[in-house]
Amino acid sequence: NAGVTQTPKFRVLKTGQSMTLLCAQDMNHEYMYWYRQDPGMGLRLIHYSVGEGTTAKGEVPDGYNVSRLKKQNFLLGLESAAPSQTSVYFCASSPPGTYTDTQYFGPGTRLTVL
Amino acid sequence: AQSVTQPDIHITVSEGASLELRCNYSYGATPYLFWYVQSPGQGLQLLLKYFSGDTLVQGIKGFEAEFKRSQSSFNLRKPSVHWSDAAEYFCAVNDYKLSFGAGTTVTVRA
Repeated sequence: NAGVTQTPKFRVLKTGQSMTLLCAQDMNHEYMYWYRQDPGMGLRLIHYSVGEGTTAKGEVPDGYNVSRLKKQNFLLGLESAAPSQTSVYFCASSPPGTYTDTQYFGPGTRLTVL
Repeated sequence: AQSVTQPDIHITVSEGASLELRCNYSYGATPYLFWYVQSPGQGLQLLLKYFSGDTLVQGIKGFEAEFKRSQSSFNLRKPSVHWSDAAEYFCAVNDYKLSFGAGTTVTVRA
């Protein structure tokens, strides 16, 4: 089991460029999440999905879009990158249902927007 | 809405000494509480979680945490720190989503 994988690991964009971050999990989890991590702020939820074909907004969704076309993949898109989106992005997945379930995290993508 | 506060931004501890990381939560109902660890350049790994029952929870890597409802706290402890424990530690509370504290960075000196 690879667990949760993220591609790419690093990326540098110019303001206004677009890109897609890919998250894949092989644990057959229903729920998937995208977070951003900024110094002194912990992790903040961007978007999440409770199943294939469904997505929902988290705390900080502006400037991002997501898609969950396949159960194992969760894509995060930046249509027009801004310097404020410089961050480390983490994907996570969990089994469905209860609040006690553990979220499993990927290794992160470090994005710099110039 | 639920929230978590980690009062200590950075803690330095000597190898072999004990460690305690503080976490205070704000939540109206029974909280579901987690501690995660993030080693440099890595994702987050679950150390332990609490959702009911015994208020002293054992986790991986020799960590434990104690839930105290009267103090709204869920502090993480380890009796004897190893150099490999140098990392960032996050407390989190789960409602419909995980809400994380800002994290505490632990430095271990030889």
